[in-house]
Amino acid sequence: KAGVTQTPRYLIKTRGQQVTLSCSPISGHRSVSWYQQTPGQGLQFLFEYFSETQRNKGNFPGRFSGRQFSNSRSEMNVSTLELGDSALYLCASSLGSEKLFFGSGTQLSVL
Amino acid sequence: EDQVTQSPEALRLQEGESSSLNCSYTVSGLRGLFWYRQDPGKGPEFLFTLYSAGEEKEKERLKATLTKKESFLHITAPKPEDSATYLCAVQVTDKLIFGTGTRLQVFP
Repeated sequence: KAGVTQTPRYLIKTRGQQVTLSCSPISGHRSVSWYQQTPGQGLQFLFEYFSETQRNKGNFPGRFSGRQFSNSRSEMNVSTLELGDSALYLCASSLGSEKLFFGSGTQLSVL
Repeated sequence: EDQVTQSPEALRLQEGESSSLNCSYTVSGLRGLFWYRQDPGKGPEFLFTLYSAGEEKEKERLKATLTKKESFLHITAPKPEDSATYLCAVQVTDKLIFGTGTRLQVFP
C-alpha cells in the first residue's frame, strides 16, 4: 500500500510569491492534515480536511489556505510569502482523527 | 493554554545505555497521547497511542507509559539505529498538539 505522497520535495521561492503544495493520502483515508515544522516551534497544526470540508484550523494567518478534492488529494497554498514561512510542510492522512501517517514533507525555502 | 513540553532537548547515549525521555502536558480534556519517531528528511512515524493513566505499550526496545501529567518513553539497551527525534503529541478535542521533540543519538 502506497504511503502519503507529497510534491514537490523541495521548493525555493522569493518573498511575495505564492506557492502550492500537493498531498496524496493513503488510499481510503479521507482525513488530511497539514503541519508546519520549524526547528524552533516544532510541528504546528495548519488545518485538517475531511471529505472536502475543512474540519479544523490552526492559528495561522489567512495567507495559508487549503482544499481537498473528491479523491481526497489535498493542496495547500501560501500567498505573499514571507521569510518566516521557510519550513518543512508535512501532510498526514488518517482514517479518523487519531493515528496519523505522514508524508516526507515539502521543504520550502523563502529567499 | 494547552501545552506539551519534552525533555531533554537532546540526549546522547552509548549503545546499551538505557534511558527515558519525558513528555509533560497541561491540557484540558486529554483524549490521547501519541509518540512518533522522526528520522532526518522524513515525516514522523507513529509508535504508540496511550489513552489513560497507568497504561503502558511496548515495541522492541521502546516502552511508553502514561500518568495524569506526563508520559515517558523508556529505551532499553538502545542501538545506533534508534537514533532519531522522538515526538510526543497530545490530542485535545480534534487537534494534535506536538512537543518540540527529543533528539536522541546512540553511539556504538
